Amino acid sequence: GIQVEQSPPDLILQEGANSTLRCNFSDSVNNLQWFHQNPWGQLINLFYIPSGTKQNGRLSATTVATERYSLLYISSSQTTDSGVYFCAVDPFPYTGANSKLTFGKGITLSVRP
Amino acid sequence: EPEVTQTPSHQVTQMGQEVILRCVPISNHLYFYWYRQILGQKVEFLVSFYNNEISEKSEIFDDQFSVERPDGSNFTLKIRSTKLEDSAMYFCASRDRAGYGYTFGSGTRLTVV
Repeated sequence: GIQVEQSPPDLILQEGANSTLRCNFSDSVNNLQWFHQNPWGQLINLFYIPSGTKQNGRLSATTVATERYSLLYISSSQTTDSGVYFCAVDPFPYTGANSKLTFGKGITLSVRP
Repeated sequence: EPEVTQTPSHQVTQMGQEVILRCVPISNHLYFYWYRQILGQKVEFLVSFYNNEISEKSEIFDDQFSVERPDGSNFTLKIRSTKLEDSAMYFCASRDRAGYGYTFGSGTRLTVV
């Protein structure tokens, strides 16, 4: 199956710093999503971004599908950004019955005040 | 924004007992999923469900697991005889035909004692 690798595995930032989180995947994808898992364990969808660039406030994401990677940028980090960031991909067409998301191992971000 | 609702948020059960985890997917979605996350690990696919039948299941989804969509709104995961290693966060997800991505519920934390 498709492989998803995220780096770095852990990241410690001072509040106000910027960061880049990376996701590499081993095959073409039709769907790529970034999630933030908060301290209560909830998965919060950040971006649906199989290709291109999107921005939402201090967060932005870019996926270069031809080179099989995606980047999540966090600017002016805040302590509430702490948690685990997951990249998840789906190589199958939207209507495929065997479509499913495969998750990376996650990046643990700690933002210190 | 439409949500996927999961109940209960936390369940504690004795080893060997049956548990049913409940999910209400987004009403016009057609594809339904269960995922599992053991503490500190990545999110893993369990099963996908479409057109009232299982589309795909992982090797984790053995005979102790079953899924059902008993009416037009609920989607349930049953574990017949729980084991200690079933302790995990269980996420329900749904997806519509248009492929705007997967929407995840907030999870049920299952603790088997």
